[in-house]
Amino acid sequence: DQQVKQNSPSLSVQEGRISILNCDYTNSMFDYFLWYKKYPAEGPTFLISISSIKDKNEDGRFTVFLNKSAKHLSLHIVPSQPGDSAVYFCAALRGTGANNLFFGTGTRLTVIP
Amino acid sequence: DGGITQSPKYLFRKEGQNVTLSCEQNLNHDAMYWYRQDPGQGLRLIYYSQIVNDFQKGDIAEGYSVSREKKESFPLTVTSAQKNPTAFYLCASNSNEKLFFGSGTQLSVL
Repeated sequence: DQQVKQNSPSLSVQEGRISILNCDYTNSMFDYFLWYKKYPAEGPTFLISISSIKDKNEDGRFTVFLNKSAKHLSLHIVPSQPGDSAVYFCAALRGTGANNLFFGTGTRLTVIP
Repeated sequence: DGGITQSPKYLFRKEGQNVTLSCEQNLNHDAMYWYRQDPGQGLRLIYYSQIVNDFQKGDIAEGYSVSREKKESFPLTVTSAQKNPTAFYLCASNSNEKLFFGSGTQLSVL
């Protein structure tokens, strides 16, 4: 049973515009959320995270929003750049230890120059 | 340069053969993990180790084995019992709930 869902397998955005990647989760016990970025044939790299006690976290062009009541989070990239083209994984943590980390299926973002 | 090194980058397995994927880290992290990624799917946890000489099964451990004799090393063996081994395998270690990944090994069946 997929506890973390990314319902859009792909997204295309023009360079300079906003990219919005969405993630839904089912387990209300998740208390920490992370976004990872992955290029082909490489390991994912950590991008940004948010604790469940917050509703927004910003780091440069990347902002993550958390709506706990809707069990929904989103990653905003503004402005989008061609180098942002990658697969983005949402992950949710319950408690401590990465063995309690659950990944979504990923969204492939393509930024068109 | 600190990080996680996985080798080889590409690996081919013949039917009935066991193969071992290497993972080495110099980040001094206690915990290490093995994930499998299939196309269109999220990362699934195979095995993890939170300390030397100890490891635990993840969600899809059947057909795999691991060892953790040294803090720096966490090799994964894909045994002949794993009937669908073709996938991208990722090793990771963690610090403060953030995972640091290696560059992965693509395993294919001949």
